[in-house]
Parts: sequence; C-alpha cells; structure tokens
Amino acid sequence: AQSVTQLDSQVPVFEEAPVELRCNYSSSVSVYLFWYVQYPNQGLQLLLKYLSGSTLVKGINGFEAEFNKSQTSFHLRKPSVHISDTAEYFCAVSDGKTSYDKVIFGPGTSLSVIP
Amino acid sequence: NAGVTQTPKFRVLKTGQSMTLLCAQDMNHEYMYWYRQDPGMGLRLIHYSVGEGTTAKGEVPDGYNVSRLKKQNFLLGLESAAPSQTSVYFCASSFRTGLAGVRYTGELFFGEGSRLTVL
Repeated sequence: AQSVTQLDSQVPVFEEAPVELRCNYSSSVSVYLFWYVQYPNQGLQLLLKYLSGSTLVKGINGFEAEFNKSQTSFHLRKPSVHISDTAEYFCAVSDGKTSYDKVIFGPGTSLSVIP
Repeated sequence: NAGVTQTPKFRVLKTGQSMTLLCAQDMNHEYMYWYRQDPGMGLRLIHYSVGEGTTAKGEVPDGYNVSRLKKQNFLLGLESAAPSQTSVYFCASSFRTGLAGVRYTGELFFGEGSRLTVL
C-alpha cells in the first residue's frame, strides 16, 4: 500500500531564511503529488501539485517543489520565509488511478517562522 | 462561491449522545469525503461517496455512518459518541473529471473543519 513520510514533524526557521520540508512516498508506477497548507484553525488548501511534465512545480506564496522519481521524493522549498508562512504542511499522494479512497496524506510538518 | 461548507464548526457531546455533521459543496463535484485529523496522524479517511446515493468505507469507518441523498450534501453521523471520536473533522470534495477533460487526479477541496469534543 502507498505510504507517505514527512521526516520532520516540526521545523523552526528564522524569518527570511530558506526552508525545505521533506516528503517521501513509497514506490508506485505513477503518482500524483500534492502539498497542502493548513493555517491555524482553518481547513487545508492546495499549495501546489505535480501531475506530469516538468519535475519542478511552482505553487502559491513563493513555494516550489521538485519531483524526484528515483528517490521517490517531493520536497517543498521556499527561498525566504515570512511570518505568515507559519502553518502545518501536508504532503499527499494519489496513485494516478481512479481510486477515490487512495489519496494518502503524510503526518504533517509544522513550520514555525521565528521573527 | 462558498466552496465546501461544514456545520457545525464546534460541538461538545457527552458519551453516548448522537449528532450529525453536515457538509455542503457548491462546485458540482461528484466525489465527497469525510476525514478526521488527529495530532501526528495526518488525515484519515472515514467514509467517501462517488455519487448521489452511494457511500463506501474508508480507513477508519467504525462508529460513523454517512448518507448522500443529494449530490451537494454529505452527512456524517455519530450514533453513540465515544471519547475516541474527539477530533477535528474535515469534509472534502473532488472532480470526477477536471477542466478540459482532465481525469480524476486526487486534488481535494476542503471545508474549514468541525471540532468535536466528546466528554
């Protein structure tokens, strides 16, 4: 069964510093990959997605992620974080088939931006 | 455009009480889902529906029931609440086919959540 690992449960980072949030998934022939962000007391919203094509995906708020098939990774990066980026970030994987119950979420990474 | 709306947003129950969470979406999505979110465990799928009148079990269905009588609504019921059901519940919906005929991808649209406490 597909699984998603987010290696860091908490990531503190100073404002304007770069950040990388790591995500690895178990191997599959084809996958769709997503990063969602959850601000305090809110629902999840899509940050970016990889469906096909270029392995470097750009999302909202200056975030980007790179799909690495050989390492089965989809790490999220931002070159300079802001206080407003403090949130919970979830990596998710869909197995690329019409399997409605097969969107698997990682446990989440809590990003705390320090002024 | 409201997207996905959940009611109520907060609820406190006593053990053994029943309640229903309502999810409504105005995007004409075919698929709808109920997840629960617990610290350190991400989101776990409770039940889902691929269309009006159809429902199916997800990863953690025990203690919950669902109904989808109308395409835009998906109800989650707790018949006899237990403290283990204290959680934040999220409803989500998704396309069957997206724009320009793109087939299902797994992209989900979420409500703002319903925080349930069972004492």
